[in-house]
Amino acid sequence: AQSVSQHNHHVILSEAASLELGCNYSYGGTVNLFWYVQYPGQHLQLLLKYFSGDPLVKGIKGFEAEFIKSKFSFNLRKPSVQWSDTAEYFCAVINDYKLSFGAGTTVTVRA
Amino acid sequence: NAGVTQTPKFQVLKTGQSMTLQCAQDMNHNSMYWYRQDPGMGLRLIYYSASEGTTDKGEVPNGYNVSRLNKREFSLRLESAAPSQTSVYFCASSEGGGYTFGSGTRLTVV
Repeated sequence: AQSVSQHNHHVILSEAASLELGCNYSYGGTVNLFWYVQYPGQHLQLLLKYFSGDPLVKGIKGFEAEFIKSKFSFNLRKPSVQWSDTAEYFCAVINDYKLSFGAGTTVTVRA
Repeated sequence: NAGVTQTPKFQVLKTGQSMTLQCAQDMNHNSMYWYRQDPGMGLRLIYYSASEGTTDKGEVPNGYNVSRLNKREFSLRLESAAPSQTSVYFCASSEGGGYTFGSGTRLTVV
């Protein structure tokens, strides 16, 4: 069965700084990976997903993620964050046809 | 607008009370899910329904029951609420790897 680990519980950075959030998954065959964002008081929104093909995936709001099979990783990046990127970010993997989530990383962007 | 609709949005229960959380989707998705979200634990799967007429336990099913009423609706029932069930509950539906989440139900059990 797949499981997901997110390394950072809380990240604090200033506007215009670069962001990278780590995500590792356990091996279990074909990999379908996701990053979701949850803004304060709102529900989950899909940032990007990887099913196959180009391992560098572009998402919404300037986010991207790179699937590195040899490292079992799917890290999320954004070159320059904005105050509005303050949110909780979840990595997820399809596990036996069900979506399993990491514990989440809270990102706080200071103006 | 197409999507997943959850009711109610907020609920306070006393320990031992029962209630049902409702979820409906209008995207003709086969699969539906109930998750609970707790601080520092991400979203954990309670129950899911791969298709109409089937339901299965997820990671944390104890204290809950579900009903897949038809293809559109998937309800979650707490028979005897406990403080440990204080959480935010999300319903989701999926088809072909695409998942859509509802806006959540914030449940407090006192």
